[in-house]
Amino acid sequence: GAVVSQHPSWVICKSGTSVKIECRSLDFQATTMFWYRQFPKQSLMLMATSNEGSKATYEQGVEKDKFLINHASLTLSTLTVTSAHPEDSSFYICSAQRTGPYNEQFFGPGTRLTVL
Amino acid sequence: QKEVEQDPGPLSVPEGAIVSLNCTYSNSAFQYFMWYRQYSRKGPELLMYTYSSGNKEDGRFTAQVDKSSKYISLFIRDSQPSDSATYLCAMITRGAAGNNRKLIWGLGTSLAVNP
Repeated sequence: GAVVSQHPSWVICKSGTSVKIECRSLDFQATTMFWYRQFPKQSLMLMATSNEGSKATYEQGVEKDKFLINHASLTLSTLTVTSAHPEDSSFYICSAQRTGPYNEQFFGPGTRLTVL
Repeated sequence: QKEVEQDPGPLSVPEGAIVSLNCTYSNSAFQYFMWYRQYSRKGPELLMYTYSSGNKEDGRFTAQVDKSSKYISLFIRDSQPSDSATYLCAMITRGAAGNNRKLIWGLGTSLAVNP
């Protein structure tokens, strides 16, 4: 149990286009999902906290108009990178929090975004 | 000072060795401690989750928490080449507002187990 999927697993796009990444909890409901980005050989950096049915909470320094988050259901959150630029190239990982005594977070496999 | 300190390594050991991975932290409010394993170009995988001082064992893995010293460890017995990955510690405070609980991450330790 506790499987989280991400789609696509990798994407290459041209500068100026928008890219949508989906995060799904497959066997549990997640009222809260998190979006991270990770640069090579660095730790995870939390971008935003996504709550089902409400606006996402963004970390300091993360542009909410550039990284649009929608958490429309208890099993799906999407991250849209708008007007992507080469500096947005990174590994994006979502996690879904399973409600329970410990509220563990389970991670998706990640999406590698390359902006040309 | 970072809230969580973890030596990034790299750590290289021969197959069969006992591996010791460690993190220290400064925030005494941390109550829950996790170890994740991350293979290259993959998302982190939850290995161990503890919330009290002492040891927790799961197969070849043992997680140890010493809250008085603000120190956590992950031991891997009989290490295998398939254990080669980056190991990240993460922790969280108890009673964070609402249901949103931000994990505070260590930098991750890169481990290579050589056959």
